[in-house]
Amino acid sequence: EVQLVQSGAEVKKPGESLKISCKGSGYSFTSYLIGWVRQMPGKGLEWMGIIYPDDSDTRYSPSFQGQVTISADKSITTAYLQWSSLKASDTAMYYCVRRSATYYYFDYWGQGTLVTVSS
Amino acid sequence: EIVLTQSPGTLSLSPGERATLSCRASQSVSSSYLAWYQQKPGQAPRLLIYGASSRATGIPDKFSGSGSGTDFTLAISRLEPEDFAVYYCQQYGSFQWTFGQGTKVEIK
Repeated sequence: EVQLVQSGAEVKKPGESLKISCKGSGYSFTSYLIGWVRQMPGKGLEWMGIIYPDDSDTRYSPSFQGQVTISADKSITTAYLQWSSLKASDTAMYYCVRRSATYYYFDYWGQGTLVTVSS
Repeated sequence: EIVLTQSPGTLSLSPGERATLSCRASQSVSSSYLAWYQQKPGQAPRLLIYGASSRATGIPDKFSGSGSGTDFTLAISRLEPEDFAVYYCQQYGSFQWTFGQGTKVEIK
């Protein structure tokens, strides 16, 4: 069974750093791209970026370029999303997603990681 | 960047009625790269339709997708209580993915 299991909720202060994780299982981790999607409270879905775990080739949405870093460790089948200096506006639910082998849709979603940034 | 505009923002319907949701793209989108997702409160989105008209595994045939170019439609026949949710369209192009802003289907 394909699963994407994300790390737990985080409460951070502005200016702090954070790295959240997404562990893939039940499939060949290096054969599928893993992406991240943000959902701010009461708002819609925003694609942030995507990584090919096999060679760590990464692409970002222009809206998130330079704001976050996406990485992956294929040895432990885990992808990451990190911030060096959080802002209150980073408060959101973050989902990791697996891009399908064909057609470029997201066929599996993690359960989401809620990040709260507040002083 | 291709912008997807969904309409209406909210659709108020009664159980048993048919819902028709629209997704319009700012420029032409390959049908192969247009998908629809359903999101219920407190849950992650789930894939409904890919390739504009193909149902994902386990999705009942009351959900149907159609369209091409810049205009795409998701139809839900015979609304049941579990179908009241938010629906998003999504497209892919040039290694960029974008979502529409969503349509909420609520009980009238």
